Amino acid sequence: ETGVTQSPTHLIKTRGQQVTLRCSSQSGHNTVSWYQQALGQGPQFIFQYYREEENGRGNFPPRFSGLQFPNYSSELNVNALELDDSALYLCASSLVGTGGTEAFFGQGTRLTVV
Amino acid sequence: AQSVSQHNHHVILSEAASLELGCNYSYGGTVNLFWYVQYPGQHLQLLLKYFSGDPLVKGIKGFEAEFIKSKFSFNLRKPSVQWSDTAEYFCAVIPDNYGQNFVFGPGTRLSVLP
Repeated sequence: ETGVTQSPTHLIKTRGQQVTLRCSSQSGHNTVSWYQQALGQGPQFIFQYYREEENGRGNFPPRFSGLQFPNYSSELNVNALELDDSALYLCASSLVGTGGTEAFFGQGTRLTVV
Repeated sequence: AQSVSQHNHHVILSEAASLELGCNYSYGGTVNLFWYVQYPGQHLQLLLKYFSGDPLVKGIKGFEAEFIKSKFSFNLRKPSVQWSDTAEYFCAVIPDNYGQNFVFGPGTRLSVLP
């Protein structure tokens, strides 16, 4: 167990719908990052939140958005779902500023868009 | 753009065989290097990491990796694999100008036959 929990574990949505995925960071961590892992591929960086502000973004369109809350939990929102959004979404928490990064990953949310 | 390549998509070994998984990255500056493992149905787990110092890094479960800066490589090795090592292995890089976010390779699936 990493102390990072994600919900829900599985989700099926219809194309065009909106979805919200949630992540609870490991206690004491101030940074959360989200990754998309398509089937058979490595995780791709979506964005990172540090102290409730977006702190870096990968090559994903604006319909992917997020929030980080004062307790460092986080949400990933995806609007206007497309079939290609079907993937495992991973949340990773870390403590930035300790002189080296070790991120802890949750088990992920498997999103299927039909 | 920064990228990470892994030499093999799928490796099949018998128990007690030696393992070497290749990883190369494209970034020319300072990098932090990682190997993660993903057992079926489980979260990404850190095997080992390299930030600086001795380029031969030892990790958990008998794994080690060697950083060769001139070759932009960070290959993972284990002298004798076990059936329980069956998993997906991901090489990841954090370039020094990329915040605290990982660039993952596509992964190598390892199947160990009993």
